[in-house]
Amino acid sequence: QKEVEQNSGPLSVPEGAIASLNCTYSDRGSQSFFWYRQYSGKSPELIMSIYSNGDKEDGRFTAQLNKASQYVSLLIRDSQPSDSATYLCAVDPGYSSASKIIFGSGTRLSIRP
Amino acid sequence: DAGVIQSPRHEVTEMGQEVTLRCKPISGHNSLFWYRQTMMRGLELLIYFNNNVPIDDSGMPEDRFSAKMPNASFSTLKIQPSEPRDSAVYFCASSDNRGGVYEQYFGPGTRLTVT
Repeated sequence: QKEVEQNSGPLSVPEGAIASLNCTYSDRGSQSFFWYRQYSGKSPELIMSIYSNGDKEDGRFTAQLNKASQYVSLLIRDSQPSDSATYLCAVDPGYSSASKIIFGSGTRLSIRP
Repeated sequence: DAGVIQSPRHEVTEMGQEVTLRCKPISGHNSLFWYRQTMMRGLELLIYFNNNVPIDDSGMPEDRFSAKMPNASFSTLKIQPSEPRDSAVYFCASSDNRGGVYEQYFGPGTRLTVT
């Protein structure tokens, strides 16, 4: 089992709708969770961090964490064509006090006009 | 404030040649990471440093790869000799983990093509 799993997509969502991206992780000791956005040909860009169970909102983005079920999700409200990108979920491995994080393989999101 | 700086942005070289990629982390960050990204394998962690000390190099594919961090503001990733299968985008990222927060910030990457 991969440590961080994401559906590779592509996920196609109409403009203005809510895009929902999901991620599951294997280590119950994980404490830090991140969402990165990567446009084609660009580097990953950190858009959300979440450390506690529940929801965290930042503008049109909401991260949701459920440690009991070992999943983290990202909701994008009022989706725009500029949101079309690959979204990478990342999790600290939990078993180490070191600072590395484990990335999922990413979900490609396409917002159709 | 400047982000992570990488050079060169593009590198084209012939098989067998030595390649050196360079990275300057964000000032004040104490952890530095080297990643490789390909379509087939996604984003792979090659090696990372804490306070200039290599902590985990288990992702380095083979002895042809080496990395150094001589000081807090500079790191290199060297491939010698290079092979066509090394063609990929190489990212450097840095973080400040002293508060137990592991947010990493990526540089623009170096696109390496080995012919």
